[in-house]
Amino acid sequence: GAGVSQSPSNKVTEKGKDVELRCDPISGHTALYWYRQSLGQGLEFLIYFQGNSAPDKSGLPSDRFSAERTGGSVSTLTIQRTQQEDSAVYLCASSLAPGPGGYTFGSGTRLTVV
Amino acid sequence: AQKITQTQPGMFVQEKEAVTLDCTYDTSDPSYGLFWYKQPSSGEMIFLIYQGSYDQQNATEGRYSLNFQKARKSANLVISASQLGDSAMYFCAMREANTGNQFYFGTGTSLTVIP
Repeated sequence: GAGVSQSPSNKVTEKGKDVELRCDPISGHTALYWYRQSLGQGLEFLIYFQGNSAPDKSGLPSDRFSAERTGGSVSTLTIQRTQQEDSAVYLCASSLAPGPGGYTFGSGTRLTVV
Repeated sequence: AQKITQTQPGMFVQEKEAVTLDCTYDTSDPSYGLFWYKQPSSGEMIFLIYQGSYDQQNATEGRYSLNFQKARKSANLVISASQLGDSAMYFCAMREANTGNQFYFGTGTSLTVIP
């Protein structure tokens, strides 16, 4: 596709439920990032995928968070047993290579846990 | 210590005037990249401009320029001839060659352009 696509754009879930957020990066982009942006805050790094290498999970806030990337393309971020503090916008970004160049962000998924 | 510091939570500028958004950074890595992103109310992050640590000249992209002062570790964004559509959040970010995998983002500056 022309840009990074994220779905759903909005998700409201009940506390304790599991949610899956999807990211379709730009075709051919090998690097993929997940970030979280809480209301009025900057972006918090969650996880990074680069090609077939083991992902950098150092930003995941707890073991309720996990992510996978199938076939080096689509990525899914899963949050288990959601809590109210998980409410945030989850942004995905991709780039052609892990160099210092610019990254393309998706429009994000706004997650609200009630 | 914060990797990226943006000290201006909110800024106002008159339409057609220039505005400078401040950003300072902290790194011991000699190789790094500095980025500015714009986030309008729609929520998407829009890449504006990039400056590499070894670049000799300040980066420019249309009405955006980056005032890179390496010794002071500052990377201020200058927007010339402000337009109403420039009203948005602006984030400064850094990526280090050694840590490699993540951007460090500042807390952002909310810019409002006044007609």
